Amino acid sequence: GQQLNQSPQSMFIQEGEDVSMNCTSSSIFNTWLWYKQDPGEGPVLLIALYKAGELTSNGRLTAQFGITRKDSFLNISASIPSDVGIYFCAGRLVAGTYKYIFGTGTRLKVLA
Amino acid sequence: DTAVSQTPKYLVTQMGNDKSIKCEQNLGHDTMYWYKQDSKKFLKIMFSYNNKELIINETVPNRFSPKSPDKAHLNLHINSLELGDSAVYFCASSQDTLRPRGNTEAFFGQGTRLTVV
Repeated sequence: GQQLNQSPQSMFIQEGEDVSMNCTSSSIFNTWLWYKQDPGEGPVLLIALYKAGELTSNGRLTAQFGITRKDSFLNISASIPSDVGIYFCAGRLVAGTYKYIFGTGTRLKVLA
Repeated sequence: DTAVSQTPKYLVTQMGNDKSIKCEQNLGHDTMYWYKQDSKKFLKIMFSYNNKELIINETVPNRFSPKSPDKAHLNLHINSLELGDSAVYFCASSQDTLRPRGNTEAFFGQGTRLTVV
């Protein structure tokens, strides 16, 4: 099945640092979603993006829908220990069946 | 109130058994999904139902049979369980993915960890 390329695969950062991760694809998407998954839990929606170029914030999180519609990025500013978890992007294709394809995930660990 | 709820949260069973996972959403959504998350945490769609009708079936063995008695429920029945079926299964729902744009984000349940021994 299809998957989106998400990078980095994992990262360790110091508390207070900013974090950036992105998703890329060879396909065009009309929706990008960003999720966070804590251990033993389901993915929780962080940000939804619906227009190319759209920049949306949710607290310390900012995400953008790439102009080419083939990518998206998520930034976390001033990270805190509870930011630890797996972050997933998910995209919905324009053509074909309407389904969400998930990225491979970015595992974030924050060092206090 | 939990928006998307799955039961059971954990399921341990022997190879060859048949088991079911239930899912209910109280969001009023008309589309529901089953996703499988493997040991590497990759999330892959298995099925999608819109208004009780199957719209996506992603090359899943026919031992897996989803059933949607109404828009708020999508259950997953698995026959003749195999070791490779061990994974976390997530149910999700969204509002009308057949629209080209709009508020169609998917909300996930807590997952069912299936272990086949």
